[in-house]
Formats: sequence, C-alpha cells, structure tokens
Amino acid sequence: ELKVEQNPLFLSMQEGKNYTIYCNYSTTSDRLYWYRQDPGKSLESLFVLLSNGAVKQEGRLMASLDTKARLSTLHITAAVHDLSATYFCAVLDFTSGTYKYIFGTGTRLKVLA
Amino acid sequence: DSGVTQTPKHLITATGQRVTLRCSPRSGDLSVYWYQQSLDQGLQFLIQYYNGEERAKGNILERFSAQQFPDLHSELNLSSLELGDSALYFCASSVGSGGAVNYGYTFGSGTRLTVV
Repeated sequence: ELKVEQNPLFLSMQEGKNYTIYCNYSTTSDRLYWYRQDPGKSLESLFVLLSNGAVKQEGRLMASLDTKARLSTLHITAAVHDLSATYFCAVLDFTSGTYKYIFGTGTRLKVLA
Repeated sequence: DSGVTQTPKHLITATGQRVTLRCSPRSGDLSVYWYQQSLDQGLQFLIQYYNGEERAKGNILERFSAQQFPDLHSELNLSSLELGDSALYFCASSVGSGGAVNYGYTFGSGTRLTVV
C-alpha cells in the first residue's frame, strides 16, 4: 500500500523566515494535493500537482512535485502568523484498482510574531 | 461553507454504544469518502461510496459500517464503541470516483466523537 511521509511533523518559525515542508511517497502516483487545516476545522484544498516538475504558487506558498523522486515540497516564503495551521499532503493511490487519497501525517506549523 | 454537510458536529457517548454519523455530499457529487482523524493516527481513510456502491475500503474496523442512500447522502455507523474510537470523523465528496482533477475532495466540517 502507498505510504506517505511528511517532515517535519512540527515546525515553529519566526515571522519573515522561509522554510520547506517535505512530502515523500512510496509508490508511483500522478496526483498530489496539499491541504490546510486550521485547529478544529475542516480541510481546505490548496494545490493540486498533476505532473513531474509541476509548480504552483499562491501568495507565500509554493508547491512543487518531482514524481521521479516521489517528493513534493511546500515552500513558505516570509512567513506570517496567518499561515499557522496544519498542512497535509495527499497522494492518489490506485492500487487494488480503486482510487483513494492517502494522507501524510501532517505538519503543524506555528509562526511566531 | 464547502457544500458538504455533516451532522452532528459533536457527539458524546458511552463505551459500548452505537452512533450514526451523517453526511450530505456537495450537490452533483456522486462519491462520498469517510476519514477518521485522531491525534496519534493522522487522517485514516475508512471507506468510499460511489453512487450507492462501495468502491474502496481502507482501515475500517468490523464494528464500523457505512452506506450511501439513493439521494446520495451517506451514514457511518459505529458500534460497540471504545475509548479509542474518539476522533474527528470527516466526510468528503467528489464528482467522480477519483476526485476532481483540480480540487481533490471537498471536505465537510467533521463530527467530533468523544467516547467516555
């Protein structure tokens, strides 16, 4: 079964700093999503990455995908407090002939003022 | 509002009891997915229904069952509840069986289940 690992699990950073969250997955997949979750809230879709080399950016967040390395990154530029949340990557798994998304463990980001 | 409605929002019940969680998918979506989110296990896929039929099964316990009705709403039944079943249960929906290409799943706000 597809395994998805994120690191770090926890990230505390100062406002204005840059950092990267990593998402590794174990088997071939052609679709990867990044989601954001605020405490006690639902998951909000941020980006979908559909091909090798895909890069998406919105505001201070930029996501990229390397399907050969089975690696996606979520880069945070000049962090602000509003970015504090938990970020999940989710990879489409088509083993067993059915589609389902396997989520990473999540990265809890705290941006300190 | 994502368009995916889950009820109830909170549920507190005793061990050994049975509960039913309800999910109404976004209008036009045929697939419903159930996920369990606990502190130590992250988001675990439980089960998927597409247009009334079970499509995929994940780490769902035998004490748990689900169904999708003709009007496409879904119910997740949890029985013989244990303390470890306390978690946030999310429902998500999508148009097809593999998730919308651009937006993945649309998640509901979840049901927080506390077993005491």
